[in-house]
Amino acid sequence: KNQVEQSPQSLIILEGKNCTLQCNYTVSPFSNLRWYKQDTGRGPVSLTIMTFSENTKSNGRYTATLDADTKQSSLHITASQLSDSASYICVVSDRGSTLGRLYFGRGTQLTVWP
Amino acid sequence: EADIYQTPRYLVIGTGKKITLECSQTMGHDKMYWYQQDPGMELHLIHYSYGVNSTEKGDLSSESTVSRIRTEHFPLTLESARPSHTSQYLCASSDPGTGGTGELFFGEGSRLTVL
Repeated sequence: KNQVEQSPQSLIILEGKNCTLQCNYTVSPFSNLRWYKQDTGRGPVSLTIMTFSENTKSNGRYTATLDADTKQSSLHITASQLSDSASYICVVSDRGSTLGRLYFGRGTQLTVWP
Repeated sequence: EADIYQTPRYLVIGTGKKITLECSQTMGHDKMYWYQQDPGMELHLIHYSYGVNSTEKGDLSSESTVSRIRTEHFPLTLESARPSHTSQYLCASSDPGTGGTGELFFGEGSRLTVL
């Protein structure tokens, strides 16, 4: 069964600190992995998309890594800000599938305290 | 910022009522989707469309129906709402991309509560 597991389920950090969120998947065959940020009561917004050949991609203070061999990804947030408080969702797509066949994780709820 | 809009943002209705959740996008995307999301849970695909007059059911069984008469419009309808339909409904559209990496754009969501 294709699955996407995220950890931790929730995380609290102080403003200015760094943090790393994890995503493990069993989706096969693999096409791409996405990270989304979802503010409370809003729709998800894309942070990064990585294909099989990419093992790191940055978007400002967000850096995603991908190890397709171990089927693991991480999202590193540098110098956190209060506005980083949100749910971060890992999404994996299988190769050759329609875009509708995305596999979503349950998200990591990040809270940044002042 | 994505040009995809959902209305209403919040809706509280009684059991048995018919409701339609509206979704419109101005990006000219052929592919559109409806997802259902409960707190702390993953998004589940309930309907999708690859273009006008094309609609398919998703992975999650749903009593809702959709239509795609115009490219920009993808409404979702519940003929008779029940408390089990209480959830957050997210509409999305995607650009073509390459190799399956089309960008997925989400609306702000419609929070439905059925009493």
